[in-house]
Amino acid sequence: AQTVTQSQPEMSVQEAETVTLSCTYDTSESDYYLFWYKQPPSRQMILVIRQEAYKQQNATENRFSVNFQKAAKSFSLKISDSQLGDAAMYFCAYGGGTASKLTFGTGTRLQVTL
Amino acid sequence: NAGVMQNPRHLVRRRGQEARLRCSPMKGHSHVYWYRQLPEEGLKFMVYLQKENIIDESGMPKERFSAEFPKEGPSILRIQQVVRGDSAAYFCASSLVAYSNQPQHFGDGTRLSIL
Repeated sequence: AQTVTQSQPEMSVQEAETVTLSCTYDTSESDYYLFWYKQPPSRQMILVIRQEAYKQQNATENRFSVNFQKAAKSFSLKISDSQLGDAAMYFCAYGGGTASKLTFGTGTRLQVTL
Repeated sequence: NAGVMQNPRHLVRRRGQEARLRCSPMKGHSHVYWYRQLPEEGLKFMVYLQKENIIDESGMPKERFSAEFPKEGPSILRIQQVVRGDSAAYFCASSLVAYSNQPQHFGDGTRLSIL
């Protein structure tokens, strides 16, 4: 079974600074996808970024980028120029092979301070 | 906004009652997924449905829980004889196709509270 581990329950970053959230996963599949979702206090689940495992190039979406290390099974999220609106729970998720379901980590709560 | 619609947003039930949670997928989406989020935890997969079919219910408790996605109308997650441990946020997601590379679009969730 696939597992997703987020070892940082909470992180804090100052506005305009950069923060990296870590995520590791375990799988025996070769074809899979990884996602970062953001859950603000409103509890919506918002897709931030996704990465295809077969692509070596790291995904980037504006201020959000990932560091995907396939051999190490690591998928960290970097948020540049942090804004107050980035404060939320961030969940790493795995979607593998023929399975459609997503496996989520336990989340990292990000605080953004002035 | 033609996003995933879940209702009700909040549902309060007493122990032993039934809870019915509804989910209307995004327009054109025929794949629906239900997840449960216990307090301070991540989302856990419960069931995956296509129109009129349950494809994967490996995360669904064997008793008291059922799900359907009829040809017409929303998907329903039904919990019979609710207990305190059923208190959680229940999220529905939908996708256009059932490949893992396709992002799942989530509704705002239903927060179920059991008295």
